[in-house]
Amino acid sequence: KNEVEQSPQNLTAQEGEFITINCSYSVGISALHWLQQHPGGGIVSLFMLSSGKKKHGRLIATINIQEKHSSLHITASHPRDSAVYICAVYDNTDKLIFGTGTRLQVFP
Amino acid sequence: DTGVSQNPRHKITKRGQNVTFRCDPISEHNRLYWYRQTLGQGPEFLTYFQNEAQLEKSRLLSDRFSAERPKGSFSTLEIQRTEQGDSAMYLCASRGTGLGYTFGSGTRLTVV
Repeated sequence: KNEVEQSPQNLTAQEGEFITINCSYSVGISALHWLQQHPGGGIVSLFMLSSGKKKHGRLIATINIQEKHSSLHITASHPRDSAVYICAVYDNTDKLIFGTGTRLQVFP
Repeated sequence: DTGVSQNPRHKITKRGQNVTFRCDPISEHNRLYWYRQTLGQGPEFLTYFQNEAQLEKSRLLSDRFSAERPKGSFSTLEIQRTEQGDSAMYLCASRGTGLGYTFGSGTRLTVV
Protein backbone atom coordinates (compact mmCIF):
# COMPACT_ATOMS: atom_id res chain seq x y z
CA LYS A 1 0.00 0.00 0.00
CA ASN A 2 1.40 3.39 -0.96
CA GLU A 3 1.99 5.83 1.86
CA VAL A 4 0.26 8.57 -0.16
CA GLU A 5 -2.79 7.69 -2.22
CA GLN A 6 -4.73 9.94 -4.52
CA SER A 7 -8.13 9.60 -6.10
CA PRO A 8 -9.23 9.62 -8.77
CA GLN A 9 -6.27 8.70 -10.95
CA ASN A 10 -7.88 10.28 -13.99
CA LEU A 11 -10.54 12.95 -14.17
CA THR A 12 -12.29 14.60 -17.07
CA ALA A 13 -14.56 17.60 -16.74
CA GLN A 14 -16.42 20.16 -18.76
CA GLU A 15 -15.32 23.75 -18.49
CA GLY A 16 -16.97 25.40 -15.53
CA GLU A 17 -17.36 22.27 -13.42
CA PHE A 18 -16.27 22.04 -9.79
CA ILE A 19 -13.37 19.62 -9.37
CA THR A 20 -12.29 17.70 -6.26
CA ILE A 21 -9.11 15.64 -5.95
CA ASN A 22 -8.50 13.65 -2.80
CA CYS A 23 -5.33 12.62 -1.01
CA SER A 24 -4.98 10.19 1.88
CA TYR A 25 -1.74 9.41 3.66
CA SER A 26 -0.66 6.87 6.22
CA VAL A 27 2.46 8.45 7.73
CA GLY A 28 2.82 11.17 10.31
CA ILE A 29 3.48 14.43 8.57
CA SER A 30 4.56 17.95 9.30
CA ALA A 31 3.08 19.45 6.12
CA LEU A 32 1.42 18.55 2.85
CA HIS A 33 2.02 19.99 -0.62
CA TRP A 34 -0.30 20.17 -3.58
CA LEU A 35 1.70 20.37 -6.80
CA GLN A 36 0.81 20.88 -10.45
CA GLN A 37 2.74 19.23 -13.27
CA HIS A 38 2.21 20.16 -16.88
CA PRO A 39 3.31 18.10 -19.90
CA GLY A 40 7.04 18.62 -20.22
CA GLY A 41 7.60 17.83 -16.58
CA GLY A 42 7.96 21.09 -14.65
CA ILE A 43 6.38 20.99 -11.20
CA VAL A 44 4.84 24.04 -9.56
CA SER A 45 3.92 24.19 -5.91
CA LEU A 46 0.30 25.26 -5.46
CA PHE A 47 -0.12 24.99 -1.72
CA MET A 48 1.71 23.91 1.38
CA LEU A 49 -0.50 23.38 4.39
CA SER A 50 -0.39 21.73 7.78
CA SER A 51 -3.88 22.57 9.02
CA GLY A 52 -7.19 24.04 7.94
CA LYS A 53 -7.76 25.53 4.54
CA LYS A 54 -5.99 27.72 2.01
CA LYS A 55 -7.38 29.53 -1.02
CA HIS A 56 -5.63 30.97 -4.03
CA GLY A 57 -7.81 32.23 -6.84
CA ARG A 58 -10.02 29.36 -8.00
CA LEU A 59 -8.04 26.79 -6.03
CA ILE A 60 -8.87 25.68 -2.50
CA ALA A 61 -6.94 23.14 -0.43
CA THR A 62 -8.10 21.62 2.83
CA ILE A 63 -6.49 19.22 5.23
CA ASN A 64 -7.81 17.13 8.14
CA ILE A 65 -4.84 16.01 10.19
CA GLN A 66 -6.86 13.63 12.39
CA GLU A 67 -8.29 11.82 9.35
CA LYS A 68 -5.00 12.07 7.40
CA HIS A 69 -6.84 13.43 4.40
CA SER A 70 -6.56 16.44 2.13
CA SER A 71 -8.59 17.71 -0.78
CA LEU A 72 -7.84 20.06 -3.64
CA HIS A 73 -10.81 21.84 -5.17
CA ILE A 74 -10.93 23.79 -8.40
CA THR A 75 -13.91 26.05 -8.90
CA ALA A 76 -15.10 27.09 -12.36
CA SER A 77 -12.61 24.78 -14.07
CA HIS A 78 -10.96 25.88 -17.30
CA PRO A 79 -9.08 23.98 -20.01
CA ARG A 80 -5.84 25.61 -18.85
CA ASP A 81 -6.28 23.74 -15.54
CA SER A 82 -5.55 20.50 -17.43
CA ALA A 83 -2.48 19.00 -15.79
CA VAL A 84 -1.39 16.33 -13.34
CA TYR A 85 -2.05 17.28 -9.72
CA ILE A 86 0.21 15.63 -7.17
CA CYS A 87 -0.12 15.41 -3.42
CA ALA A 88 3.13 15.13 -1.47
CA VAL A 89 3.74 14.92 2.27
CA TYR A 90 6.67 15.64 4.50
CA ASP A 91 7.43 12.68 6.70
CA ASN A 92 9.82 13.08 9.60
CA THR A 93 12.93 12.48 7.51
CA ASP A 94 13.10 15.84 5.75
CA LYS A 95 11.95 14.70 2.33
CA LEU A 96 8.72 14.56 0.34
CA ILE A 97 6.73 11.41 -0.32
CA PHE A 98 4.63 11.77 -3.45
CA GLY A 99 1.32 10.36 -4.54
CA THR A 100 1.01 9.01 -8.08
CA GLY A 101 -0.92 12.04 -9.25
CA THR A 102 -4.35 12.77 -10.70
CA ARG A 103 -4.50 13.53 -14.41
CA LEU A 104 -7.13 16.21 -15.02
CA GLN A 105 -8.47 17.11 -18.45
CA VAL A 106 -10.93 19.96 -18.76
CA PHE A 107 -12.75 20.23 -22.07
CA PRO A 108 -14.26 23.41 -23.45
CA ASP B 1 17.21 34.46 -9.61
CA THR B 2 15.24 32.44 -12.15
CA GLY B 3 14.50 29.46 -9.94
CA VAL B 4 15.90 25.95 -10.17
CA SER B 5 17.60 25.26 -13.48
CA GLN B 6 18.26 21.80 -14.89
CA ASN B 7 20.34 20.88 -17.89
CA PRO B 8 19.93 19.33 -20.30
CA ARG B 9 16.13 19.28 -20.69
CA HIS B 10 16.28 16.13 -22.77
CA LYS B 11 18.92 13.47 -23.22
CA ILE B 12 18.84 10.49 -25.52
CA THR B 13 21.64 8.02 -25.03
CA LYS B 14 22.57 4.54 -26.09
CA ARG B 15 22.49 1.77 -23.54
CA GLY B 16 25.83 1.44 -21.82
CA GLN B 17 26.82 5.09 -22.15
CA ASN B 18 27.40 7.41 -19.20
CA VAL B 19 25.29 10.53 -18.73
CA THR B 20 25.56 13.51 -16.41
CA PHE B 21 22.84 15.96 -15.46
CA ARG B 22 23.25 19.31 -13.76
CA CYS B 23 21.03 21.17 -11.34
CA ASP B 24 21.49 24.80 -10.31
CA PRO B 25 19.33 25.50 -7.26
CA ILE B 26 18.08 28.82 -5.94
CA SER B 27 21.23 30.43 -4.64
CA GLU B 28 20.21 30.86 -1.01
CA HIS B 29 18.74 27.34 -0.70
CA ASN B 30 21.02 25.01 1.22
CA ARG B 31 19.02 21.82 0.59
CA LEU B 32 19.02 20.13 -2.81
CA TYR B 33 17.04 17.02 -3.75
CA TRP B 34 17.07 14.62 -6.69
CA TYR B 35 13.94 12.67 -7.60
CA ARG B 36 13.16 10.25 -10.42
CA GLN B 37 9.77 10.04 -12.07
CA THR B 38 8.67 7.27 -14.42
CA LEU B 39 5.64 7.48 -16.65
CA GLY B 40 2.37 7.60 -14.74
CA GLN B 41 4.04 7.63 -11.35
CA GLY B 42 4.83 10.24 -8.79
CA PRO B 43 8.44 11.28 -8.21
CA GLU B 44 10.58 8.94 -6.10
CA PHE B 45 13.32 10.18 -3.82
CA LEU B 46 16.91 9.48 -4.91
CA THR B 47 19.18 11.57 -2.73
CA TYR B 48 19.58 14.89 -1.00
CA PHE B 49 22.27 17.33 0.05
CA GLN B 50 22.48 19.89 2.77
CA ASN B 51 25.13 22.27 1.52
CA GLU B 52 27.86 20.00 0.16
CA ALA B 53 27.05 17.02 2.40
CA GLN B 54 25.06 14.14 0.91
CA LEU B 55 22.80 13.24 3.82
CA GLU B 56 20.65 10.44 2.45
CA LYS B 57 20.58 8.07 -0.50
CA SER B 58 17.67 5.92 -1.56
CA ARG B 59 18.11 2.21 -2.22
CA LEU B 60 16.94 3.15 -5.74
CA LEU B 61 20.33 4.75 -6.21
CA SER B 62 22.37 1.80 -7.39
CA ASP B 63 26.16 1.75 -7.65
CA ARG B 64 25.84 3.11 -11.18
CA PHE B 65 24.42 6.36 -9.84
CA SER B 66 26.47 9.05 -8.17
CA ALA B 67 25.60 12.58 -7.14
CA GLU B 68 27.79 15.42 -6.04
CA ARG B 69 27.43 18.95 -4.81
CA PRO B 70 31.06 19.94 -4.47
CA LYS B 71 30.75 23.55 -3.35
CA GLY B 72 27.27 23.46 -1.91
CA SER B 73 25.88 25.21 -4.97
CA PHE B 74 25.11 23.28 -8.17
CA SER B 75 24.79 19.51 -8.17
CA THR B 76 25.47 16.80 -10.73
CA LEU B 77 23.87 13.40 -11.07
CA GLU B 78 25.81 10.85 -13.09
CA ILE B 79 24.53 7.53 -14.35
CA GLN B 80 27.15 5.08 -15.56
CA ARG B 81 26.50 2.23 -17.99
CA THR B 82 22.92 3.33 -18.59
CA GLU B 83 20.17 0.74 -18.91
CA GLN B 84 16.76 1.05 -20.53
CA GLY B 85 15.19 1.00 -17.08
CA ASP B 86 16.96 4.27 -16.31
CA SER B 87 14.68 6.07 -18.78
CA ALA B 88 12.74 8.56 -16.69
CA MET B 89 12.37 12.21 -15.78
CA TYR B 90 15.04 13.29 -13.29
CA LEU B 91 13.82 16.15 -11.15
CA CYS B 92 15.84 18.46 -8.96
CA ALA B 93 14.37 20.59 -6.19
CA SER B 94 15.80 22.96 -3.65
CA ARG B 95 14.63 24.52 -0.45
CA GLY B 96 15.91 26.82 2.22
CA THR B 97 15.16 26.69 5.92
CA GLY B 98 11.38 26.46 5.48
CA LEU B 99 9.30 23.61 4.09
CA GLY B 100 8.64 25.15 0.68
CA TYR B 101 10.18 23.39 -2.30
CA THR B 102 11.10 24.84 -5.68
CA PHE B 103 11.34 22.33 -8.50
CA GLY B 104 13.29 22.43 -11.71
CA SER B 105 11.77 21.50 -15.06
CA GLY B 106 13.50 18.17 -15.05
CA THR B 107 15.79 16.27 -17.40
CA ARG B 108 14.05 13.63 -19.47
CA LEU B 109 16.38 10.70 -20.13
CA THR B 110 15.67 8.19 -22.86
CA VAL B 111 17.96 5.18 -23.10
CA VAL B 112 17.75 3.40 -26.44
